[in-house]
Amino acid sequence: NFMLTQPHSVSGSPGKTVTISCTGSGGTIASSYVQWYQQRPGSVPTTVIFENNQRPFGVPDRFSGSIDSSSNSASLTISALKTEDEADYYCQSYNSTKVVFGGGTKLTVL
Amino acid sequence: EVKLVASGGGSVQPGRSLRVSCAASGFTFDDYAMHWVRQAPGRGLEWVAGISRRSGTSAYADSVKGRFSISRDNAKNSLHLQLNSLRPEDTALYYCTKGLGPMVTPNWFDRWGQGILVTVSS
Repeated sequence: NFMLTQPHSVSGSPGKTVTISCTGSGGTIASSYVQWYQQRPGSVPTTVIFENNQRPFGVPDRFSGSIDSSSNSASLTISALKTEDEADYYCQSYNSTKVVFGGGTKLTVL
Repeated sequence: EVKLVASGGGSVQPGRSLRVSCAASGFTFDDYAMHWVRQAPGRGLEWVAGISRRSGTSAYADSVKGRFSISRDNAKNSLHLQLNSLRPEDTALYYCTKGLGPMVTPNWFDRWGQGILVTVSS
């Protein structure tokens, strides 16, 4: 079964950079696109990265995505951290029959 | 403006059934696959089911396969999820989501509804 594993939590200080990993198992992560969703408390998820490294209109370029085939993982990097970035972040991908989410990572901006 | 408005949630006893629906507007409904994604209280997102643009293909998470059924009515711009043999672990906020393309996979979600709460408890 194709699965995505994320760290439970990460933290960073305002102005710093954090990276959230998403490791694939049971399949090759580079064979499908990876998306990243942000969910603030009490809110609906919104897309911050689609198709590995593309930003929807309105998402600042502080958000970037990448794929590392050697480690079968995807990463979301947020630079110049702001307090408003504090949220849960989910990676998502798919195989030929199913859609898969990672377990989510809570980002705390200290 | 894209709108996805879910209805039909509520509280139900284990083993019973429920049907949730989603009314879509603001886009050409039959151009896109549609999905249900759920979130149990305090937990992460879980994909539940998806259906292709003309209902030719549907797919389910292993946790609901054989118990849930997804359908759509393109004439009425509506999406449905029939939930049978409900279990306490099915308690969650169920989100109606729009896919970016016509097939169940490959796909991702570019619009989400507000969600509808389903509670399974005796």
